[in-house]
Amino acid sequence: DGGITQSPKYLFRKEGQNVTLSCEQNLNHDAMYWYRQDPGQGLRLIYYSQIVNDFQKGDIAEGYSVSREKKESFPLTVTSAQKNPTAFYLCASNKPGQQETQYFGPGTRLLVL
Amino acid sequence: AQSVAQPEDQVNVAEGNPLTVKCTYSVSGNPYLFWYVQYPNRGLQFLLKYITGDNLVKGSYGFEAEFNKSQTSFHLKKPSALVSDSALYFCAVRDPSGSGAGSYQLTFGKGTKLSVIP
Repeated sequence: DGGITQSPKYLFRKEGQNVTLSCEQNLNHDAMYWYRQDPGQGLRLIYYSQIVNDFQKGDIAEGYSVSREKKESFPLTVTSAQKNPTAFYLCASNKPGQQETQYFGPGTRLLVL
Repeated sequence: AQSVAQPEDQVNVAEGNPLTVKCTYSVSGNPYLFWYVQYPNRGLQFLLKYITGDNLVKGSYGFEAEFNKSQTSFHLKKPSALVSDSALYFCAVRDPSGSGAGSYQLTFGKGTKLSVIP
């Protein structure tokens, strides 16, 4: 899992509540990504950011929001608009360049109470 | 649009036997291909990648993969499986000829569960 940390490891959300997942990296990577993993569906891209103060929607951005105020940090907020938030959330980062490998954090499992 | 298919949800192999986990891809240009492994409740660990050059790529833990452009495949292989290789394996593709920021995105397959039987 290298220099990427995610917290908390487990997170419980009540109905109608917004929750924020933390992702921090000390690898000096410019690009950061958020994926959602559901059983049997692989990984799907939620949001990504190639540079500070800029981010783009991925394939399943509805019900999620992000910010990128610092190079090291890319927090993900799961809003109350996300009706099926139960999943394993993975953060990744890489150096600039299309040939560069994405490295992943340990993940956060979000459960709905 | 780029896509990846892993046709087998699960692969079972006896310890000591060779293993193969299959992956096929679809991109408009020349692909960048990656394999990752995931242990239960953990993040993904990078195994190997193909960018250009030799079609046979060697990676971590004795794994290798062969890029076959005519068959659009990138199968993961290991000559002798270990019980500790049991995990979920993901193939991913990036199409560098895509437009703008989309050329940096990775598209993942649905994963193949490998079980190595003692």
